[in-house]
Amino acid sequence: DVKVTQSSRYLVKRTGEKVFLECVQDMDHENMFWYRQDPGLGLRLIYFSYDVKMKEKGDIPEGYSVSREKKERFSLILESASTNQTSMYLCASSSIPRGQGNEQYFGPGTRLTVT
Amino acid sequence: AQSVTQLDSQVPVFEEAPVELRCNYSSSVSVYLFWYVQYPNQGLQLLLKYLSGSTLVKGINGFEAEFNKSQTSFHLRKPSVHISDTAEYFCAVIGGFKTIFGAGTRLFVKA
Repeated sequence: DVKVTQSSRYLVKRTGEKVFLECVQDMDHENMFWYRQDPGLGLRLIYFSYDVKMKEKGDIPEGYSVSREKKERFSLILESASTNQTSMYLCASSSIPRGQGNEQYFGPGTRLTVT
Repeated sequence: AQSVTQLDSQVPVFEEAPVELRCNYSSSVSVYLFWYVQYPNQGLQLLLKYLSGSTLVKGINGFEAEFNKSQTSFHLRKPSVHISDTAEYFCAVIGGFKTIFGAGTRLFVKA
């Protein structure tokens, strides 16, 4: 069974803290994605990566960075957490070829609250 | 640029009734369309997808969707819903190397 796992289901952090969200997939997928999900806004892409050490900005990258040192692991970093980053964060992966109908596989999500 | 509009934010329906969740898209290139489902406290999982061929696509759990190019729609249907279908449903289109998601439709199935 394919699996995308995320390091935490629930996380509470203070404003200004540095926050790491980890995602691991066991499907040998090339592409990995980080989204945030907010009510009424659907999923918005933060960053994605199509290869180790490669990354591209999504639609809302401000305040975030990412790291992909190994193929199976994609980390999302909040350099200095703010209350407007309180959200559900979803990680996903997919195989190549990109943009040609390949579905994404999602992790269970991390609900982050910044106080 | 590709975009997706889900026309209903919430759809309440009684158990065993039929349901249709509406989705319209815009795309200037080849169209690849998806429906994903998110059960409470879970990530998204694929319900069905249209890549090419037959415009009627069947998915898991008795759902189906029809691709209508002239109306740029990809509505999701189920003839008889169950309580366990209560979830949020997302329509999505592939835009370049990214998947563009709609805002979601929350389906409530009442006994």
